[in-house]
Amino acid sequence: DAGITQSPRHKVTETGTPVTLRCHQTENHRYMYWYRQDPGHGLRLIHYSYGVKDTDKGEVSDGYSVSRSKTEDFLLTLESATSSQTSVYFCAISEAFTGELFFGEGSRLTVL
Amino acid sequence: GENVEQHPSTLSVQEGDSAVIKCTYSDSASNYFPWYKQELGKRPQLIIDIRSNVGEKKDQRIAVTLNKTAKHFSLHITETQPEDSAVYFCAAKAGNMLTFGGGTRLMVKP
Repeated sequence: DAGITQSPRHKVTETGTPVTLRCHQTENHRYMYWYRQDPGHGLRLIHYSYGVKDTDKGEVSDGYSVSRSKTEDFLLTLESATSSQTSVYFCAISEAFTGELFFGEGSRLTVL
Repeated sequence: GENVEQHPSTLSVQEGDSAVIKCTYSDSASNYFPWYKQELGKRPQLIIDIRSNVGEKKDQRIAVTLNKTAKHFSLHITETQPEDSAVYFCAAKAGNMLTFGGGTRLMVKP
């Protein structure tokens, strides 16, 4: 498996609280992504990064922000969590923009 | 933006039979079509991909076909085995975005 880890793996929080998920890679891949997975919706792209400090929005970016201050770390922040953000979040990395995605193990977030 | 429809949402086959999963996409600019397999509780993993200049690609028991005119592509699994049981996702890439289908849960009955 590619060297990619997510933390925390599980989190339960309350509506209105801030949450940060961390993705760490040891592969030195340029591209990093955050997806959310919900039943019937497949995987939907939240944000992605194509380099340090270079990020862009995906298809479901509202309510989320990201930061990438180092090649190896990509943070996803929910400024004020809502119940609709209860989901499994996957980080992914790729070496090329049109290439294989390597996924992390996922972070299950429950917002009460 | 791109829209990817995947059918069926669930598929049950007997061990040894073939399974076919179909996807359609909306953006004619899409040029990369990967398939991912996700076993229960695990992360998605790439099993095969195809690019727009190729009509068919095979890798042992799995194959993918692409019809750019009709904007659809399919995954074919032959001689299915219990370990093929998983959720399969198709995806299409146009520009900067890789858009996934909703997934197909494949169950292979021994």
